[in-house]
Amino acid sequence: NAGVTQTPKFQVLKTGQSMTLQCAQDMNHEYMSWYRQDPGMGLRLIHYSVGAGITDQGEVPNGYNVSRSTTEDFPLRLLSAAPSQTSVYFCASRTVAGGWNEQFFGPGTRLTVL
Amino acid sequence: AQSVSQHNHHVILSEAASLELGCNYSYGGTVNLFWYVQYPGQHLQLLLKYFSGDPLVKGIKGFEAEFIKSKFSFNLRKPSVQWSDTAEYFCALSSGADGLTFGKGTHLIIQP
Repeated sequence: NAGVTQTPKFQVLKTGQSMTLQCAQDMNHEYMSWYRQDPGMGLRLIHYSVGAGITDQGEVPNGYNVSRSTTEDFPLRLLSAAPSQTSVYFCASRTVAGGWNEQFFGPGTRLTVL
Repeated sequence: AQSVSQHNHHVILSEAASLELGCNYSYGGTVNLFWYVQYPGQHLQLLLKYFSGDPLVKGIKGFEAEFIKSKFSFNLRKPSVQWSDTAEYFCALSSGADGLTFGKGTHLIIQP
């Protein structure tokens, strides 16, 4: 049971490049989400999904796309990277059975956009 | 809109000192409250959570928090800190099906 995994761990992009941050979980969790962490800002919700085929926007969705074709995977796409997207990105998942439950976080992806 | 406010951005304590980190939230309805810890270079781990019932909740590593509804507060406490408690601490709130709303975090440094 690997929990929540994220790849890559580190990435450097040039402005305007595109890339996909991968997130996978093996706990059969219905709910998955993406956060970004910036110094002095805490974590802010980008997008979330309550199940395969269902996604919704969080607090800071601009510049990011998501899709959820399977229960296990929830990739985050940057279509045209900007320096303002330099951040650490965390994926999280939880089950929705029985109400609200603990979120499990992945190890993070540190992204630098030059 | 809901929000979470953590009063202290940086706290420096000596080992064996007592700790209290403040957290206040803004939301008019029923909330679930959490404290997460992030050790240097690691991802977030859940310290404790409050859903309902006893407002004094105990978590891992000797931490506890008290939910005071009238004050919209959920302060984190530990009677005697250790050097290994050096980390960033986040208070968070959930009000529904969407994600967590986090405070900006408190960077705790414990000096030996």
